[in-house]
Amino acid sequence: SAVISQKPSRDICQRGTSLTIQCQVDSQVTMMFWYRQQPGQSLTLIATANQGSEATYESGFVIDKFPISRPNLTFSTLTVSNMSPEDSSIYLCSVAADPEAFFGQGTRLTVV
Amino acid sequence: AQTVTQSQPEMSVQEAETVTLSCTYDTSENNYYLFWYKQPPSRQMILVIRQEAYKQQNATENRFSVNFQKAAKSFSLKISDSQLGDTAMYFCAFMKWANSKLTFGKGITLSVRP
Repeated sequence: SAVISQKPSRDICQRGTSLTIQCQVDSQVTMMFWYRQQPGQSLTLIATANQGSEATYESGFVIDKFPISRPNLTFSTLTVSNMSPEDSSIYLCSVAADPEAFFGQGTRLTVV
Repeated sequence: AQTVTQSQPEMSVQEAETVTLSCTYDTSENNYYLFWYKQPPSRQMILVIRQEAYKQQNATENRFSVNFQKAAKSFSLKISDSQLGDTAMYFCAFMKWANSKLTFGKGITLSVRP
């Protein structure tokens, strides 16, 4: 199993600003994932964070809006840039420990 | 691409009774995993049960069991002896073999009544 610490747990931000979410895992993992959960909706994969290479983004998500860092095998950050109210969501970090996926507790972001 | 469909947006069950949550999926893959995750108001995603597609035997975990019909691409979750703590959103999810990306259904809100 893997224990994931994600912070902040929640934040209220002004539109046009950026927020960086951190994800720390208690063991080394190859792949880390970032998901978005819009209000009352399901989880949608934003990108896969690969250590030592660029993140791989899913359709509809771009690096300029959601830059990701992965400096080592236990840590990743997701930045939500130039925020608008439509970015108000829960953002979740996940790691794969095949064949399971473990999740952080999520960051509830509200953009005003 | 894979799709996961949960057509029931919400269900309610009396405490101690049994409830079944439905899920269907579509894939051209032969090797994959299916999951049910629970998300209580705390937002934490909790794995309820996992099924490997190559296994014919249905997975069980205490009060939770699945009915996996590979040919029909159906994966339902049965919760027996429902408890108040089972109240949460439940997501059905698909993972391709050695891919580790999850595709989620829309989720179902389950309420357990005392």
